[in-house]
Amino acid sequence: AQSVTQPDIHITVSEGASLELRCNYSYGATPYLFWYVQSPGQGLQLLLKYFSGDTLVQGIKGFEAEFKRSQSSFNLRKPSVHWSDAAEYFCAVSFDSGGGADGLTFGKGTHLIIQP
Amino acid sequence: EPEVTQTPSHQVTQMGQEVILRCVPISNHLYFYWYRQILGQKVEFLVSFYNNEISEKSEIFDDQFSVERPDGSNFTLKIRSTKLEDSAMYFCASRPGAVRNQPQHFGDGTRLSIL
Repeated sequence: AQSVTQPDIHITVSEGASLELRCNYSYGATPYLFWYVQSPGQGLQLLLKYFSGDTLVQGIKGFEAEFKRSQSSFNLRKPSVHWSDAAEYFCAVSFDSGGGADGLTFGKGTHLIIQP
Repeated sequence: EPEVTQTPSHQVTQMGQEVILRCVPISNHLYFYWYRQILGQKVEFLVSFYNNEISEKSEIFDDQFSVERPDGSNFTLKIRSTKLEDSAMYFCASRPGAVRNQPQHFGDGTRLSIL
C-alpha cells in the first residue's frame, strides 16, 4: 500500500530563515504529489502539486518543491519564512492506478513554528 | 474563486444517533471525496464518489457510513449510529474531471463531536 512519511513532527525556524520540510513516499507507478497547508481551525489549502515534467515546481506564497524519483522524495522549501507561515503542512500522494478517482494518502504532517 | 462549502461547521451528537454532514462541491466538479482527521492525527481518506456511485473506499468506511448526492449540488456523508471514536474533523473535497492532473479542493471541514 502507498504511504507517505514526514519525518519531522515539529520544526522551529526563525523568521527570515530558510525552510525545508521533508516528505518521502512509498514506491508507486506514477506518483502525483501535493503539499497542503492547514492553519488552526481551517481546511486544507493546496500549496503546490507535481504531476509530470519539470521536477522543481513553484507554488503559492513563495513555496517550491523538488521531486526526486531516485530518493522517492518531494521536499518543500521556502527561502525566507514569514510569521504567517506558521501552520501544519501535509504532504500527500496519489498514484495513477488507472481508476481515476483514487483518494489522497497523507503524511502525518509537520507543525511549523516561527520564532521572531 | 469557487469554494467547497461544508455545513455545519460544528456538529454535536449523542452516541448512537445518526448524523448527516453536508457539502456543496464546486459546481463543475465531477469527483467528490470525504476525509476525516481525528484530533492530532493525519488526514485519512474515507471515500470517493463519481457518476453517482462510490469509486473507492477505505477500510474506515464501513457499513455505518454512506454517501449520497441527493440533488445534483449537495454531497452528504451519513453516519448511521455514531460512536465516540467518530469524533473528528470531516473534510469534503472535489476535483474537476477524469484527467488525473487536477488537484482536489477542500472545504473548511465539519467538526463532529460525539458525546
